[in-house]
Amino acid sequence: QVQLVQSGDEVRKPGASVKVSCKASGYRFYSYGITWVRQAPGQGLEWMGWINAYNGNTNYAPRFQGRVTMTTDTSTSTAYMELRSLISDDTAVYYCATDYGDYIDFDPRGQGTLVTVSS
Amino acid sequence: SSELTQDPAVSVALGQTVRITCQGDSLRRYFAAWYQQKPRQAPVLVVYRNNRRPSGIPDRFSASSSGDTASLTITGAQAEDAADYYCNFRDDSGDLRYVFGTGTKVTVL
Repeated sequence: QVQLVQSGDEVRKPGASVKVSCKASGYRFYSYGITWVRQAPGQGLEWMGWINAYNGNTNYAPRFQGRVTMTTDTSTSTAYMELRSLISDDTAVYYCATDYGDYIDFDPRGQGTLVTVSS
Repeated sequence: SSELTQDPAVSVALGQTVRITCQGDSLRRYFAAWYQQKPRQAPVLVVYRNNRRPSGIPDRFSASSSGDTASLTITGAQAEDAADYYCNFRDDSGDLRYVFGTGTKVTVL
């Protein structure tokens, strides 16, 4: 059974960076991509970007281009999402999900990672 | 990039049928995926790839599409179906690999 375990909640000041990890298990990590999605308080789901776990190719949403970097470590089956130059509007729960090419699947047991940006 | 519009909220009587719609001009090449999200929980995939349901998802959830509108139908809604529902499409036509709908809050009366 696919399991995605994310790192713990974070608090950052405006202008800082945050790096969230997502450790996958239950499948061949390099066979599928990882998509990152965020959800601001009381808001809907927002697609941030995708990384091909096999070759590291990425595709970022334009609004995050230049501020986000997604990477993977196939030796530990872990994906990372780093977001820089944080502003208060980046306060959100960040989720990783397995990307099967035409749909994404979250770990129902996952809680996501709450990133709070506050001075 | 494409936008996917959903009704903000719908209500359904216990045991009745409710349809949640998702409208957008990118609904052509790929099938919709639908997610259920309850407060303070991660989204749960309920339908993907032409009406397939993951293991454990009741068969009262079904999906369809026609033209620029995709639909998720809950036949015989249960109290535990009260949640937010989001459609999602793979979209190669714009800058985003995936686009989420705006979300629909379903209340079971």
